[in-house]
Order: sequence, then structure tokens, then C-alpha cells
Amino acid sequence: EVQLVESGGGLVQPGGSLRLSCAASGFTFNTYWMSWVRQAPGKGLEWVSHISESGAHANYADSVKGRFTISRDNSKNTLYLQMNSLRAEDTAVYYCARGTYYYDSSGYAHPTSLDYWGQGTLVTVSS
Amino acid sequence: QSALTQPASVSGSPGQSITISCTGTSSDVGGYNYVSWYQQHPGKAPKLMIYDVTKRPSGVSNRFSGSKSGNTASLTISGLQAEDEAYYYCSSYTRSSTFVLFGGGTELTVL
Repeated sequence: EVQLVESGGGLVQPGGSLRLSCAASGFTFNTYWMSWVRQAPGKGLEWVSHISESGAHANYADSVKGRFTISRDNSKNTLYLQMNSLRAEDTAVYYCARGTYYYDSSGYAHPTSLDYWGQGTLVTVSS
Repeated sequence: QSALTQPASVSGSPGQSITISCTGTSSDVGGYNYVSWYQQHPGKAPKLMIYDVTKRPSGVSNRFSGSKSGNTASLTISGLQAEDEAYYYCSSYTRSSTFVLFGGGTELTVL
């Protein structure tokens, strides 16, 4: 059974930092792209970042670029999100999700769906 | 980049069918067959219901179906049941730097 368990959320002051973790089990972690998606209170879903199977490639939403860093440790089956310079608008439930990606003939990876999600961890940025 | 456009709410009676639309552009919904739909009950994580426009993951009821025409994708739920009451989000790959776009979400009420 595929399981994704996030941890590391909490209350942090504006300008502070936090590192989220996502422990994966039930599948071969190093063969899947992984993503972080967030949901502000009462709002919709927002894609934050994703990382390739090996960790060699990563991309970010414009809203977090330069402040957040995604990484993974395939030996520990764990995904991370380092969040720096946090703002009030970063307050949200953060979900990790397993991605299904299609590689085209030029080797470019297209995300097609997010097939398993964790239960989420709440990050609150407030003074 | 703007989110995909979904109606804020839809409703239907048990046994009826409803359709939720998801409108994008030729750079996302219209340009690729990478549209997915997610169901989210309050306080729970999203669950994948449809991927690649029309495909259903194992375990998802065949009452759920997806389609696309031009820049608009649709999710149809037939034989509406009380347990279908939830929020539904569409998503699409986009060739912009955003990579993944979500719709604003649609609240489905089963009357």
C-alpha cells in the first residue's frame, strides 16, 4: 500500500524557516517524480514544486522561487521542502504527492497526474 | 499564470448526472491530454479520480468519466450519490514555467 506521511509543519514567524519532510513507503520511491502542493485555508490547490526521480531536476512555482528548495533522499525514501523567508501568504496545508510523468521523444518530462497524496501538514506563518 | 476556470458550485439530486467544466487555454487543457480531476472531502487529502482526460485509476467508480473539447475539459458524475458531495479540482500540464495548473475548485452538493 502506497503511503505518504508529511511532517515538520507548525507555527513560524514571518521571515523564518521551516523544513517539511514526506516519508514514502509501499512503492519504489526512486522511480517517481514527487511534488509538493499547498492549500491555503478555505482556498484551492496550488502546485508548489516537483523533483525528478534522481533529484537532478526540480522546478518551482513563481510564488516560491528563490525561497523554497525541494530535495529528496532516495536512500531514506524521503522528500523534503526547505522553506525560507516565509510570508503570511505561505500559510497553508502542504501535501506531498507522487507524480506520474510522461517522457516525450526529446526526453522532456510532462507531469500528467498526482496519483497518491499524503494527509498534509499545516504551516502557519504569523507573528 | 491564471488558474483553470471551474464553476464555483454545482448541485444535483441522487441518481441524477452532473457535469463540471474546466476551461483553460491552448497552452494547457487544449494543447495536451494531461488533464486530471481530484475529489476532496472537507479536511481530507485530494484523491485522483480521472487522469489523461478520460482514464480512471483502479478502484474509482465507473460513474465518474472525463472528456475534453477544445480548451474545456469536463467531469461527469452519473447516478449521483450522497458520498459524491465534495470539492472537485481539475488540473492540467502547462508549457509555461508553472508546469501544473489547478482549477479553482467546484463544490458539489447532493440535494
